[in-house]
Amino acid sequence: KQEVTQIPAALSVPEGENLVLNCSFTDSAIYNLQWFRQDPGKGLTSLLLIQSSQREQTSGRLNASLDKSSGRSTLYIAASQPGDSATYLCAVESGGGADGLTFGKGTHLIIQP
Amino acid sequence: GAVVSQHPSWVICKSGTSVKIECRSLDFQATTMFWYRQFPKQSLMLMATSNEGSKATYEQGVEKDKFLINHASLTLSTLTVTSAHPEDSSFYICSASPSGRRGTQYFGPGTRLLVL
Repeated sequence: KQEVTQIPAALSVPEGENLVLNCSFTDSAIYNLQWFRQDPGKGLTSLLLIQSSQREQTSGRLNASLDKSSGRSTLYIAASQPGDSATYLCAVESGGGADGLTFGKGTHLIIQP
Repeated sequence: GAVVSQHPSWVICKSGTSVKIECRSLDFQATTMFWYRQFPKQSLMLMATSNEGSKATYEQGVEKDKFLINHASLTLSTLTVTSAHPEDSSFYICSASPSGRRGTQYFGPGTRLLVL
């Protein structure tokens, strides 16, 4: 059974810092990996989706990498801003593209002004 | 495009009553929809996979008789929590996968259920 772990569970940094969030998964046979943002009491906002054949994706200040063989992904946030404060969730799809996602518990990020 | 709605956005009900939550794909057809549950300070857990025109597939530990899922059309799936109890209080989120686009899911905004 696929398990997804995110480290750290919580992170608080001053505004402007670059930071890295980590995600690991136990079964490397994934279809894709996705990073989401969740604000308190809200739904999910998809940030980046990496197909199993890809190694990274970039969107603005966000960069996500994928090392499928080692079961790891990182989300890099450049020049962090207070508006980046949220919980960041990593999720993998382990089937053939038609399965539900397995989520990590998330990293709760606080960017101090 | 690719908008998924959920209704209601929040609901409070008495213990023992049933609650129906709707998940709609507004601008695309979805052969498959998924239902997730999120308890406070926990991550999302997949409850079931809903396929249009067929029975839902439930994850281990999810009671199919308690969480009734109906996917009667390509744009609508419903989750009914039957005889709700306080421990069913949670945040329920659906996602929809566009027909013919494997590996893509669009998430709804979620429904917060509080059972008194």
